[in-house]
Amino acid sequence: NAGVTQTPKFQVLKTGQSMTLQCAQDMNHNSMYWYRQDPGMGLRLIYYSASEGTTDKGEVPNGYNVSRLNKREFSLRLESAAPSQTSVYFCASTRTWEMNTEAFFGQGTRLTVV
Amino acid sequence: SQQGEEDPQALSIQEGENATMNCSYKTSINNLQWYRQNSGRGLVHLILIRSNEREKHSGRLRVTLDTSKKSSSLLITASRAADTASYFCATGGSYIPTFGRGTSLIVHP
Repeated sequence: NAGVTQTPKFQVLKTGQSMTLQCAQDMNHNSMYWYRQDPGMGLRLIYYSASEGTTDKGEVPNGYNVSRLNKREFSLRLESAAPSQTSVYFCASTRTWEMNTEAFFGQGTRLTVV
Repeated sequence: SQQGEEDPQALSIQEGENATMNCSYKTSINNLQWYRQNSGRGLVHLILIRSNEREKHSGRLRVTLDTSKKSSSLLITASRAADTASYFCATGGSYIPTFGRGTSLIVHP
């Protein structure tokens, strides 16, 4: 039982390059989320998908786009990477939208933009 | 802005001692959850307490919730070196899981 799988685990980008972070869950969860974690800032929500076919902005969406490809997969795209996007990115999923059950997290993608 | 805020930001104790960390939040909630993050890893769910509960236990963990003060506490009893991690609270019921900045716990052997 894999849970939430993120790829890649590490990535170095040059300023201006683009990339897509992949996330897949095998728990048949309805809702999925992308967070970034920076030192001293905790986890900040970038985008979320309450259910298949819907996506919405979170606290820090600028510079990112997302796609809920199907119920299992939720990708995060950086169109033109900037050094300020250097961070650790986490994907998470919950069974229900109302957060009445636990969230499951992937292992994270450590991204460095130079 | 953060919905939940953990306190203290850092905590250093000896193995066998108890560790207490607190979480304050701003708006009404349906539940409050605590998570642990080991260095470089994803968050792992520890315990969920609903708004109509005042206390909940799970192994060496004890969580309390005071909705009148909008606060919660996590107590880890008889701590072990393996408890070294960051601990986060998250509030449910606002439809989006929001996390605080976390408490960094170091347990010295």
